[in-house]
Amino acid sequence: AQKITQTQPGMFVQEKEAVTLDCTYDTSDPSYGLFWYKQPSSGEMIFLIYQGSYDQQNATEGRYSLNFQKARKSANLVISASQLGDSAMYFCAMRGAMKTSYDKVIFGPGTSLSVIP
Amino acid sequence: AAGVIQSPRHLIKEKRETATLKCYPIPRHDTVYWYQQGPGQDPQFLISFYEKMQSDKGSIPDRFSAQQFSDYHSELNMSSLELGDSALYFCASSLAGDTQYFGPGTRLTVL
Repeated sequence: AQKITQTQPGMFVQEKEAVTLDCTYDTSDPSYGLFWYKQPSSGEMIFLIYQGSYDQQNATEGRYSLNFQKARKSANLVISASQLGDSAMYFCAMRGAMKTSYDKVIFGPGTSLSVIP
Repeated sequence: AAGVIQSPRHLIKEKRETATLKCYPIPRHDTVYWYQQGPGQDPQFLISFYEKMQSDKGSIPDRFSAQQFSDYHSELNMSSLELGDSALYFCASSLAGDTQYFGPGTRLTVL
């Protein structure tokens, strides 16, 4: 069975500093995808970044980068130069092997990030 | 860029009533997913459709049903509503199983 673990229920970071949100996962699928989503207090779920299990390089999207360590089954999100608007809940998520073209995503419990001015 | 559209955004119902949530996927996306997010919880997968056929089923109660129409929009029908159905309901869409993009959600409150 697949499982996502996020051990940090809440995190604080000073504005303009970098922060790392931890994510570990468990799967027996040889091929999988890892995602990070941001959920502000308004409720919408915003896609941030994707890492495929066979990707050789760590994914980056602007201020977001994913520190992917396959052997350790970790996929930590790094946010550089934090902004006040980064305050939100962050979910790590995983999609299983592409047996079909429509596999569901499972989510971790989330980490609440608060950026301090 | 066009995003996933959900309607209504907010819905208040009484116990035992029915509710219908609508989802319009991103144009040309072929797969629609429904998720339920209870207060303080992570989203839980309910059901998905690929090319208008049900493709996967999660922890969806028997009181709920869903379908995808010829124009690819999807509807989630919920009957005999219970207090525990109060949640944020997300629709997401993807192209060929690629990244799922979520709509803004429908916040359902059952009184």
